[in-house]
Amino acid sequence: NAGVTQTPKFQVLKTGQSMTLQCAQDMNHEYMSWYRQDPGMGLRLIHYSVGAGITDQGEVPNGYNVSRSTTEDFPLRLLSAAPSQTSVYFCASSYSQAAAKNIQYFGAGTRLSVL
Amino acid sequence: AQSVTQPDIHITVSEGASLELRCNYSYGATPYLFWYVQSPGQGLQLLLKYFSGDTLVQGIKGFEAEFKRSQSSFNLRKPSVHWSDAAEYFCAVGAPGGGADGLTFGKGTHLIIQP
Repeated sequence: NAGVTQTPKFQVLKTGQSMTLQCAQDMNHEYMSWYRQDPGMGLRLIHYSVGAGITDQGEVPNGYNVSRSTTEDFPLRLLSAAPSQTSVYFCASSYSQAAAKNIQYFGAGTRLSVL
Repeated sequence: AQSVTQPDIHITVSEGASLELRCNYSYGATPYLFWYVQSPGQGLQLLLKYFSGDTLVQGIKGFEAEFKRSQSSFNLRKPSVHWSDAAEYFCAVGAPGGGADGLTFGKGTHLIIQP
């Protein structure tokens, strides 16, 4: 069982570069989300999606774009990377849009450094 | 808005000793409550959850947590820790109405196991 797969695991960017963090799940989950994890800050929600074609902003959306063209995939795009976006990024998915009641499954994370 | 407080940033426990990690939440009603564990370099794994009913909840790896409404707490316990329990532990809350905007996480408690 693959579960939630994130690629790449590590990435180094220069300020101003763009990149896409990939997230795919094979559990037919409706709900997918992106979090960032910073030391002493816990996990903070960036964007989420309750189904294909539907996305919305979380707590810290600035500087990030998302789209959900299929149920399986939920890529996170950094259009112009900034050092403040240096973080560990986690993708998560759960069975339905009642996200608070359903178990969220997390990917292994992408560690991003912006120089 | 809901919030989660984990008062202890670091806790050091001797192997074989008992463990209690504290979690306090702020919410207008009883939220859904979760404990997640993150091993080094890994994603988050669900240890246990509380939605309703019995206030003492059993989880995986020998962990349990007790919901105390009067104290707005959901503390995690284990009778005897093993070296493999060394990890980061996150308490999280979700809105009982469902809500598509994910979970609110505490900042985490880093557990160190002494031999």
